[in-house]
Amino acid sequence: AQSVTQPDIHITVSEGASLELRCNYSYGATPYLFWYVQSPGQGLQLLLKYFSGDTLVQGIKGFEAEFKRSQSSFNLRKPSVHWSDAAEYFCAVGARDNDMRFGAGTRLTVKP
Amino acid sequence: KAGVTQTPRYLIKTRGQQVTLSCSPISGHRSVSWYQQTPGQGLQFLFEYFSETQRNKGNFPGRFSGRQFSNSRSEMNVSTLELGDSALYLCATKTVAGEGTQYFGPGTRLLVL
Repeated sequence: AQSVTQPDIHITVSEGASLELRCNYSYGATPYLFWYVQSPGQGLQLLLKYFSGDTLVQGIKGFEAEFKRSQSSFNLRKPSVHWSDAAEYFCAVGARDNDMRFGAGTRLTVKP
Repeated sequence: KAGVTQTPRYLIKTRGQQVTLSCSPISGHRSVSWYQQTPGQGLQFLFEYFSETQRNKGNFPGRFSGRQFSNSRSEMNVSTLELGDSALYLCATKTVAGEGTQYFGPGTRLLVL
C-alpha cells in the first residue's frame, strides 16, 4: 500500500536560511511524487512534481526536490527562505489511476 | 484557464442536518476527488469520480456520498451531520490522461454546531 511519511511536524528557520523538508514514501512501483503548499484557510497549491527523468526537479517559488529511489525519499529544498514561505507543506504520492496519499504535513515558521 | 471552483466557501450547519458541496473542475478535467482535512486527521481521501462513476472510495461512513454530472461537475453530500464533520472539504481535479497531477480548489469550510 502506498504511504507517505513527513517526519517533521514543525520546522522553524530564519529568513534567508536554507530549508530542507523531508519526505519518505512507500510505493510498489515507480511513484508519482508531489509537493504542495497550503496557506492558512486555503486550498493546496502544487509546488513541483516528479514522475520520471531527471531526479532533481525544479518548482515554483524557488523550490526544488530530489528523488532518491534508494532512500525512498523526495525531500524539498530552498536555498534561501522568505517570510512569505511560512505555510504548511504536504508531500504526496500517487498515480494516474490511484488516489493520492498525503503525508501529515510540515508546518514551516519563518523567523525574521 | 480558470481554476477549480468550490461553492460555497463557508457553511454553518447544525447536527442532524445535511449539506451539499459543489466542485467545478478545470476545463478538460474529468476526474474529481474529494478530501476532508481536519487538524487531527490531516488530509483524508473521500472518493473519486470519473465519467459520472465513483472510481475510488476512502474509508468514510455511508453518510458521505457524491456524484458527478455529465459536465464533470461534482457534488458531495453529507447527511445527518455530526460535530466531527466540521472540516475543510477540498476538491481536486485532474485530466486522468496525464501523470495524475491533481489541482485543488480553495475548499469549503464546514462548521457543524
